[in-house]
Amino acid sequence: AQTVTQSQPEMSVQEAETVTLSCTYDTSESNYYLFWYKQPPSRQMILVIRQEAYKQQNATENRFSVNFQKAAKSFSLKISDSQLGDTAMYFCAFGWAGTALIFGKGTTLSVSS
Amino acid sequence: DTEVTQTPKHLVMGMTNKKSLKCEQHMGHRAMYWYKQKAKKPPELMFVYSYEKLSINESVPSRFSPECPNSSLLNLHLHALQPEDSALYLCASSPSGAGETQYFGPGTRLLVL
Repeated sequence: AQTVTQSQPEMSVQEAETVTLSCTYDTSESNYYLFWYKQPPSRQMILVIRQEAYKQQNATENRFSVNFQKAAKSFSLKISDSQLGDTAMYFCAFGWAGTALIFGKGTTLSVSS
Repeated sequence: DTEVTQTPKHLVMGMTNKKSLKCEQHMGHRAMYWYKQKAKKPPELMFVYSYEKLSINESVPSRFSPECPNSSLLNLHLHALQPEDSALYLCASSPSGAGETQYFGPGTRLLVL
């Protein structure tokens, strides 16, 4: 069975700083997707970034980038130049053919000025 | 357009009431999902519809009854709910369901009295 682990329940960072959120997963599959979703307080869950397992190149989306280590089953999210609007709960998720997404327990990120 | 809409935004109901939640997407997606989310927790999968057929039912109590009238619409009928059913109910859709990116609606915040 697939599992997703986020070991940091809460993190805090100052504006303009860089922060890295950790995620590890376990699977025996070779083709799958990994995602980071962001859910601001009382707001909609939105996709931050997505990584296909067959791609060696790490995905990037503006200030957001991932460090995907397939052999280590690690998928961390780096947020550069943190902004107040980045304050949210971040969920790492695993997707595999024929199933719905499997979510980690989430990391609450607080960005302060 | 990556929009999933949900109505109503808020719902208060008594334990003897019958109500329905509605979800709509016009992205041509063929998989739709219902999740239940408690505060500070990840979404919990309830149901998956794939090509308008129920493909996954995560042992949800029968007081929750899903319906997919067509490929754009998803309903969740509620009857005789319990106070512990109070939560945020999220709808999501994905192109075909095979572990792909899911797009979430804003949710319906349900309070059962």
